[in-house]
Amino acid sequence: DQQVKQNSPSLSVQEGRISILNCDYTNSMFDYFLWYKKYPAEGPTFLISISSIKDKNEDGRFTVFLNKSAKHLSLHIVPSQPGDSAVYFCAATDLNAGKSTFGDGTTLTVKP
Amino acid sequence: DGGITQSPKYLFRKEGQNVTLSCEQNLNHDAMYWYRQDPGQGLRLIYYSQIVNDFQKGDIAEGYSVSREKKESFPLTVTSAQKNPTAFYLCASSIGTGGPEAFFGQGTRLTVV
Repeated sequence: DQQVKQNSPSLSVQEGRISILNCDYTNSMFDYFLWYKKYPAEGPTFLISISSIKDKNEDGRFTVFLNKSAKHLSLHIVPSQPGDSAVYFCAATDLNAGKSTFGDGTTLTVKP
Repeated sequence: DGGITQSPKYLFRKEGQNVTLSCEQNLNHDAMYWYRQDPGQGLRLIYYSQIVNDFQKGDIAEGYSVSREKKESFPLTVTSAQKNPTAFYLCASSIGTGGPEAFFGQGTRLTVV
């Protein structure tokens, strides 16, 4: 039973437009959520996070939205740049357990 | 520079042999993790350690073993009991319960032939 799902394996957007990546989770014990960016043959790098007590967190071009009732979060990138092309992983954390569960990732391609 | 180092980047082993993947961090992080990534899939947790001399099984611990004798080091042994060991292995660390943001190493691609 997959507890964190990223239903879109891939997303393609034009440079300058908005990219919206989605993530759904099922475990109500998750109380902290993160997005990581990954290039091929490299380790993921942390991008942005949000606590379950918030519904929005913004950092420059990146904004994460959390809808707890729907168990859904999304990452907005605006404006999208070709350098944003990568695989984006959503991760959900149970802080008491001290471990994160990852989604399968969404490959974002930003076309010039 | 502070960071987390995995070695080697590529590793080849014959079927039936145990192999140990190295992971070292100089970030003074308490928590360390091992993940496995298969093509088209996310990261699956193998083992994690919140403190020296203690570790817990993750979601796919069968066929793997770890040790945490030093804060800086968290080696992973892939044993011959692991049915499908060929994968990309990622080590990560975090400051622990104070912040789950993880710093990842560059990964080790293990190929068993």
